Amino acid sequence: GAVVSQHPSRVICKSGTSVKIECRSLDFQATTMFWYRQFPKQSLMLMATSNEGSKATYEQGVEKDKFLINHASLTLSTLTVTSAHPEDSSFYICSARESSGNYGYTFGSGTRLTVV
Amino acid sequence: AQTVTQSQPEMSVQEAETVTLSCTYDTSENNYYLFWYKQPPSRQMILVIRQEAYKQQNATENRFSVNFQKAAKSFSLKISDSQLGDTAMYFCAFMKQDTDKLIFGTGTRLQVFP
Repeated sequence: GAVVSQHPSRVICKSGTSVKIECRSLDFQATTMFWYRQFPKQSLMLMATSNEGSKATYEQGVEKDKFLINHASLTLSTLTVTSAHPEDSSFYICSARESSGNYGYTFGSGTRLTVV
Repeated sequence: AQTVTQSQPEMSVQEAETVTLSCTYDTSENNYYLFWYKQPPSRQMILVIRQEAYKQQNATENRFSVNFQKAAKSFSLKISDSQLGDTAMYFCAFMKQDTDKLIFGTGTRLQVFP
């Protein structure tokens, strides 16, 4: 089946630094990928939709200059948290949809970001 | 805007028993898709079952089945013969046709005990 690889699974960084999270579709092409944020014991909140070859579409309230998204190829999207602060600490999850149109979404295993 | 409501924050069931998780949603759309996702302690999101709104027949996947009531905007998940491995957070999700956005409910934590 479709597999989405997300790295790193855990990362700790210092305040003010930037962190890059990668999301790769391993055995299918994904023109669209999605980035979610999940706070402890809460639901997934969509942050942005990543479109291959074009700018990402951000949800209301998400700072596009803080959460930089790049979707340079049909199999890779990256999320960079710039100038991270402790309040950015969270669980970030990506997902990708196969272009076959069967509306099957595959999720990455998530990245736990801790900003100290 | 569409909303998804899961009114049961936590549920528990004994192994081999049946449990039903509730989900309601609000939309003015006629064509859409509904999903149940499972998130075990590993945090990996796993698709459990999917329902197209235009289909009257309830979707089933082995021990998992749904009761889709379109008029009532209800989409409950029934887990039969519960297994310890079913212990997880379960999220109901909605997607409008012709969009790619999944809207998740707040989740139900299911504990299956021996």
